[in-house]
Amino acid sequence: GEDVEQSLFLSVREGDSSVINCTYTDSSSTYLYWYKQEPGAGLQLLTYIFSNMDMKQDQRLTVLLNKKDKHLSLRIADTQTGDSAIYFCAVLSGGGADGLTFGKGTHLIIQP
Amino acid sequence: DTEVTQTPKHLVMGMTNKKSLKCEQHMGHRAMYWYKQKAKKPPELMFVYSYEKLSINESVPSRFSPECPNSSLLNLHLHALQPEDSALYLCASSLRQGYGNTIYFGEGSWLTVV
Repeated sequence: GEDVEQSLFLSVREGDSSVINCTYTDSSSTYLYWYKQEPGAGLQLLTYIFSNMDMKQDQRLTVLLNKKDKHLSLRIADTQTGDSAIYFCAVLSGGGADGLTFGKGTHLIIQP
Repeated sequence: DTEVTQTPKHLVMGMTNKKSLKCEQHMGHRAMYWYKQKAKKPPELMFVYSYEKLSINESVPSRFSPECPNSSLLNLHLHALQPEDSALYLCASSLRQGYGNTIYFGEGSWLTVV
């Protein structure tokens, strides 16, 4: 089945850019998502990208997709303290019918 | 509006109790999901309903019983749970089940089994 990998922690200074990386194994994964989870809260859909795209930009968020390497990244420009959260990479697997496969989540820590 | 509403937000129940978690969406979505999330772990899929019919059961113990009474509502009935079932239970929905359908999550119900 699908396997999604992320590093567990990322620490950045306030105002810098954060880049969260994700790799996946199923080359037929065509829809890839980033979710944000703040402490004690549910999952907030941040952005998504389809496999026919290489890049998607939405305000401070930039998603890059390298299909050859099966690598996805999320860049957050001008990182703020409110960006402190766990960020989950997720892909639809099993032809999309099996729901989402999540990475373990990257805990983004903001240093003042 | 991409809102999925879950109640209650917090639930404490004994191992002999029967309780239910409720989920509601009014986006016209025809696929609804239950996920379980343990502390510091990613969500794990439990059940998927498509057009009010159970589509996927990820080998979930029978002490968890899902129900989809109509296209807007999804329940999770709980009976004879164990302390290890304590977790955040997330409901989600999407327009349809399958590719190209973004899945939206609710805020979750925190369940503690004592």
